[in-house]
Amino acid sequence: AQSVTQLDSQVPVFEEAPVELRCNYSSSVSVYLFWYVQYPNQGLQLLLKYLSGSTLVKGINGFEAEFNKSQTSFHLRKPSVHISDTAEYFCAAAYNDMRFGAGTRLTVKP
Amino acid sequence: SQTIHQWPATLVQPVGSPLSLECTVEGTSNPNLYWYRQAAGRGLQLLFYSVGIGQISSEVPQNLSASRPQDRQFILSSKKLLLSDSGFYLCAFIKGDTGELFFGEGSRLTVL
Repeated sequence: AQSVTQLDSQVPVFEEAPVELRCNYSSSVSVYLFWYVQYPNQGLQLLLKYLSGSTLVKGINGFEAEFNKSQTSFHLRKPSVHISDTAEYFCAAAYNDMRFGAGTRLTVKP
Repeated sequence: SQTIHQWPATLVQPVGSPLSLECTVEGTSNPNLYWYRQAAGRGLQLLFYSVGIGQISSEVPQNLSASRPQDRQFILSSKKLLLSDSGFYLCAFIKGDTGELFFGEGSRLTVL
């Protein structure tokens, strides 16, 4: 069965430090990949998406992700985080339907 | 523009009571609609999806049901709630042809 795995359930980091949230997906001939962010008591908001083309995808709020087909990964990165980046982050892959990872809680400390 | 609305935003219900959560979409026709549940500290679980009026597919057996009485309306229901039904329920629709999901603001259900 197709699946998405987020390797870290929680990632604590200090403000202005870089961060990487890891995501692996089941290999597929064709897959669209997404990162969503969820702030407390809100729905999910799209950060970025990979459909095709350049493997480095830039999204909102300074986030970017790199599609690596050989490693079936789609890790999310930000060079310098802010307190306001504290949220839950979900990696997702669109196969016949949308599959989500379990989420990574990013906590940015002052 | 395309929008999605869910209500109520929060709900506290006793065990055994009925449930009705509503979701409506604006600015698009014949959308694929989804209900997800997010339990505390867990990821998103797909509950139901619908590709058209009256067409409902269930992913997980449970005491919940879904209906799509109109093209842009998706309702999640239960006749008798269980404690385990507590969670954050999210309605979503497919935006564009890339499989990107656009989510509503969510409905937080607490069953006591």
